[in-house]
Amino acid sequence: AQKITQTQPGMFVQEKEAVTLDCTYDTSDPSYGLFWYKQPSSGEMIFLIYQGSYDQQNATEGRYSLNFQKARKSANLVISASQLGDSAMYFCAMREFPADNYGQNFVFGPGTRLSVLP
Amino acid sequence: EAGVAQSPRYKIIEKRQSVAFWCNPISGHATLYWYQQILGQGPKLLIQFQNNGVVDDSQLPKDRFSAERLKGVDSTLKIQPAKLEDSAVYLCASSLSGASRDKSSYEQYFGPGTRLTVT
Repeated sequence: AQKITQTQPGMFVQEKEAVTLDCTYDTSDPSYGLFWYKQPSSGEMIFLIYQGSYDQQNATEGRYSLNFQKARKSANLVISASQLGDSAMYFCAMREFPADNYGQNFVFGPGTRLSVLP
Repeated sequence: EAGVAQSPRYKIIEKRQSVAFWCNPISGHATLYWYQQILGQGPKLLIQFQNNGVVDDSQLPKDRFSAERLKGVDSTLKIQPAKLEDSAVYLCASSLSGASRDKSSYEQYFGPGTRLTVT
């Protein structure tokens, strides 16, 4: 069974500093994908970054990077140079890619609320 | 490119009443997802469609929830009868395809959601 753990219910960071949001996962499938989404107060989910289990390098998208440690089953999100607009809920998610090639049961973690302080 | 459309945005009903939500995905997206997000939690996948077929509905409470995507485009999610614990935001998302490991296929685009309050 899949499981996503985000141990930080809330985080604070000073504007322009970097912040790391933790995510650990549990799966027995060798092929899976890890995602991070941002959910501002408006409610819409915004895709940020993706890491495949077989990807050799850590994913980066602008100010977002994913610190992928496969042996530890962790996929932490690093936001560099935080901005006030980064204040939001952040969700880590995972899906497995079973042999029939259809992704099953996209699972989200409980989320971390990030507050960027001026 | 138009995003994922959902309606209504808000709905208040009494328990035991019925309610339906509508979703129109991004044009050309074969895969459509319905999620339930209870306040303070992450979204929970209710059902996933690939075109007009169901790929995964393992977490859909089938005694009261139903969903269809008859022509492989827009979709409706129905709750009948509603319970107090159904109060949540119902999110619809779409992706190019759910079948491939390619990033462009599984990246999900979400609609604004429908906030349901059951009293």
